[in-house]
This record gives sequence, structure tokens and C-alpha cells, in this order.
Amino acid sequence: GESVGLHLPTLSVQEGDNSIINCAYSNSASDYFIWYKQESGKGPQFIIDIRSNMDKRQGQRVTVLLNKTVKHLSLQIAATQPGDSAVYFCAESNQAGTALIFGKGTTLSVSS
Amino acid sequence: EPEVTQTPSHQVTQMGQEVILRCVPISNHLYFYWYRQILGQKVEFLVSFYNNEISEKSEIFDDQFSVERPDGSNFTLKIRSTKLEDSAMYFCASKTGTPNTGELFFGEGSRLTVL
Repeated sequence: GESVGLHLPTLSVQEGDNSIINCAYSNSASDYFIWYKQESGKGPQFIIDIRSNMDKRQGQRVTVLLNKTVKHLSLQIAATQPGDSAVYFCAESNQAGTALIFGKGTTLSVSS
Repeated sequence: EPEVTQTPSHQVTQMGQEVILRCVPISNHLYFYWYRQILGQKVEFLVSFYNNEISEKSEIFDDQFSVERPDGSNFTLKIRSTKLEDSAMYFCASKTGTPNTGELFFGEGSRLTVL
């Protein structure tokens, strides 16, 4: 079946540190993965995506790594800021490509 | 910046009542979605809609749920007879392009409380 999960429910870092949020997925046929950020009381917000033909993709202060061998996805945030505090979800496209399946979130807390 | 808008932001209803949640997707988007999030849990897919029909639905989306695009701008989710376990935040989302690519834009959500 399709399922996406995260390794840790919470992550606490100091401002300026680099953060790494991990996600494991079970469907080896998935070919599209996305990271979303959800701030309190708001809807999920797109951060970065990656296709299965890539193993790394960089954005502004964020990098997504995909390891298809172990079905692992990670989000790296450089120089974490208090504004990065939120719940982070990984998501994968279902096999039909008609829906995104979200994993459980990791709550990132950034202290000054 | 264009955004997905949802109304109401919060609705309280009695068990067994019908509820309609409304969404205005981004105007040039072609794919529309409803998701729900029970407090503190993950975002769960309910249904996707394209070309005026449902393209995919989850196990959660049973006969009590329906979606409509009654005009060129609105996209609604109806729950015919609400249950306590329907209490959740409901998110509408939309996107342009093919289903398996591109950014999915979410609204701010409608919180449904069933008493």
C-alpha cells in the first residue's frame, strides 16, 4: 500500500543551526515527492519537490534529498530561523498521480 | 498573489446535520482537491476533481460526502449527515498542470466542529 511517514515527531534547534527532517516512504513506485510547511492555523505551504529521477534538489536555504534505495526523503534547512518554526510534512504522489499522500508531520521548533 | 479561499473559516454543527464547505480555487487552475486534518494529525486526502468529475477519492470519502463545481469559480464539499468524527480542518487545494507535477496550493482551511 501507499504510506508515508516521518522518523521524529519533533525537532528542536537553535537559530542559525542546520535542520534535517526525515521521511520514509513505502511505495517504491512513487515518482514524485514534496515537502510542505504548515504554520499554526494555516494550510500547508509548498516548499520544494523532487522527482524520482533525481537524488537532490536545492532551493533557497532548503535542500531535498531522495534515496530510492532505502525509500528515504529528507529536508535540510540551512541557517534555521525562528520563522521556520512549523510542522513539516512530506508527501508522495499516489500511483495514479491524482492525489498527494501526506505523511505524519515533524514539528520544528527554533529557539533564538 | 492569487490564493485559494475557503468559507466558512469555522462552522459548528449538530450531529446529523448537513454541512457545505465552500472553496474558490485559483482562477486558472484545473485540478481541485479536498483534504482534511484531524487536530494534531496528518493531512488526509479526500477527493480530487478534474474536468467536472471526480478523478480519485479515498476510503474516507464515502456516500456521505459529495463535491460540486456549481459554477466557474466555486468548488464545494458537502457532508450530508455529519458525525462526531467528521470534526476536522478541511482544506481545499488547487493546481494547474498535470496531476503528478507542480505545486498544490492550499487554502487556509475550514474548521468543522460536530457536536
